[in-house]
Amino acid sequence: DAGITQSPRHKVTETGTPVTLRCHQTENHRYMYWYRQDPGHGLRLIHYSYGVKDTDKGEVSDGYSVSRSKTEDFLLTLESATSSQTSVYFCAISEARGGYNEQFFGPGTRLTVL
Amino acid sequence: GENVEQHPSTLSVQEGDSAVIKCTYSDSASNYFPWYKQELGKRPQLIIDIRSNVGEKKDQRIAVTLNKTAKHFSLHITETQPEDSAVYFCAAIIHNAGNMLTFGGGTRLMVKP
Repeated sequence: DAGITQSPRHKVTETGTPVTLRCHQTENHRYMYWYRQDPGHGLRLIHYSYGVKDTDKGEVSDGYSVSRSKTEDFLLTLESATSSQTSVYFCAISEARGGYNEQFFGPGTRLTVL
Repeated sequence: GENVEQHPSTLSVQEGDSAVIKCTYSDSASNYFPWYKQELGKRPQLIIDIRSNVGEKKDQRIAVTLNKTAKHFSLHITETQPEDSAVYFCAAIIHNAGNMLTFGGGTRLMVKP
């Protein structure tokens, strides 16, 4: 499982509340990613990080922010949750193998915004 | 940016038959193409990948082919088994450009015993 954990694994919250999801990795990988998965849309990249304090936007970044103050932790924050952010969120890391960076996913967080 | 199309969205086969899933990509700079299998309620798992300098790669019952000229790649599963039932995702990446994967929409494969 590439040493990736996510917390919480399930969360139910109300519209307008802030939510922070945590991704933790134990193997010192440089690249970390946050994706959301919705029926009919597959997996879409929200934000990614290429090092401590180095982050960039992905395809669906509106309404989300991220922070990476330590190599092992990548946080995803919904400043004011909306029902459209109900989704399954996956964190991923990138591991260099054979000259290419293979991505491996965490177990996911199911978020419901009521 | 990159766009990846995947077909079919659902595929039903009889146990023992072959299954083929096809993907097309738009950016000719893409050079790495992984395939993920996702069982219900689980994380996507990398099952096989192909790099742009290779036309075909096999691993037991699964194989991937890549046609760079046509910008399409395919996953082939032979002698399907019920445990192959899952959602399969193709993806494309421009290596060393942020390593950002663009995923296809997924194919739900059902293998009937």
